[in-house]
This record gives sequence, structure tokens and C-alpha cells, in this order.
Amino acid sequence: AQSVTQLGSHVSVSEGALVLLRCNYSSSVPPYLFWYVQYPNQGLQLLLKYTSAATLVKGINGFEAEFKKSETSFHLTKPSAHMSDAAEYFCAVSRGGQLTFGSGTQLTVLP
Amino acid sequence: EAQVTQNPRYLITVTGKKLTVTCSQNMNHEYMSWYRQDPGLGLRQIYYSMNVEVTDKGDVPEGYKVSRKEKRNFPLILESPSPNQTSLYFCASSLTPSGQETQYFGPGTRLLVL
Repeated sequence: AQSVTQLGSHVSVSEGALVLLRCNYSSSVPPYLFWYVQYPNQGLQLLLKYTSAATLVKGINGFEAEFKKSETSFHLTKPSAHMSDAAEYFCAVSRGGQLTFGSGTQLTVLP
Repeated sequence: EAQVTQNPRYLITVTGKKLTVTCSQNMNHEYMSWYRQDPGLGLRQIYYSMNVEVTDKGDVPEGYKVSRKEKRNFPLILESPSPNQTSLYFCASSLTPSGQETQYFGPGTRLLVL
């Protein structure tokens, strides 16, 4: 069975500060890992994904994530937060097309 | 424009009144899936389909039905809705069932069952 844990259901950062959203996974096989973003009243949009190539994955809007097998982690970072980054972020692990999502982290960006 | 569409976007109904939420994709994707989103629980998969006429249960299939008679459409059917099915529903599709494929999500359907 696979699972995803996102630490912190709510994270607040100041505009310009580092964004760090945490994700730990559990999987019996090498995982495919995803980060999705959900803006208010919208569907989910892919930020980035890890598919066993480079362990540092760059995504859209300046986000990146590093796959660390020893820590079973796939944390999402952005060096400098922007007001437009305020949204809910979901980490997910995939097996045969079935996505298992974490419970989500709501990011608030303070002016 | 490549997209996944859902209808309706908002729906209020009463307990026991059958309803269908439609989902359509124009990307010739093999794989389609339904999720429900509830606060604090993230998204949970209801049903998925690897191709036409092939469907299977996800993590929370009770109270739902699906069909895949055409490649582009994957309707979600609630035969006898109950208040615990009040939720935000998303349809998604990907090119193949491979785990590394990106899934593309529809805009969501917000359902309230009274």
C-alpha cells in the first residue's frame, strides 16, 4: 500500500520568503511522485513530477522539489514567495495510474 | 483547447434522487478517473477506467457507479445519493495508465445532498 503525509495543513510565509512544503511518502516500489496546486474554485494543476530521472525536479512558477529516497521525502520549495502562490498544494504518489493524495497544505502569503 | 470538462459545476439535490455527473475529455486519453475532495482528507479515488469498457474500483467506491462506453466520456452515477456524498468531485484523465503520466483534472463539481 502507498500513502502520503503532508506535514502542516496550513503554512504562512511573508512575500519574498522561502516556501517549504513537506511531503513524506510510503511505497513498496520505487515511486512516481507529484505535486499539484489548486487555486480557489479551480481544478488541480500539475506543478512538477518525479519519475526516477533527476532527483531535483524543477516545475512551473519557480517551484522545485528534491526526491530523497533515504528520507522518503519529496519536499516542495520556492526561494521567494509571491502573493499569487497562495493556494492549496497536494503531494501525491502514483501506482499504475492510481494517485494517492496527501491531505493538502494551504499556503498563505502575507504582504 | 485540450481539456477535461464536467457538468454540472454545481448541484443541489435531495436524498435518494438519482443523478449523473458527466465528464468528457478531448485529448484521446485512455485513462480516466473520478475523485472526491473533502476537507482534511485530500482527494480520494472513487473509480477509474483503463480504457473503453474497463472500469475498476478505487478507494471509496460505495454508493457510486461509472461506465465507459466511449473513450472520451466517463460519467459518474449516484443511484441513491445520501448526505455523506456531499463533496467536491473531480474527473481526471491521462494518456495511458502508466504511473508516471500526468493526470489532467476537470474544474470540479460541487454536490450538496439534502
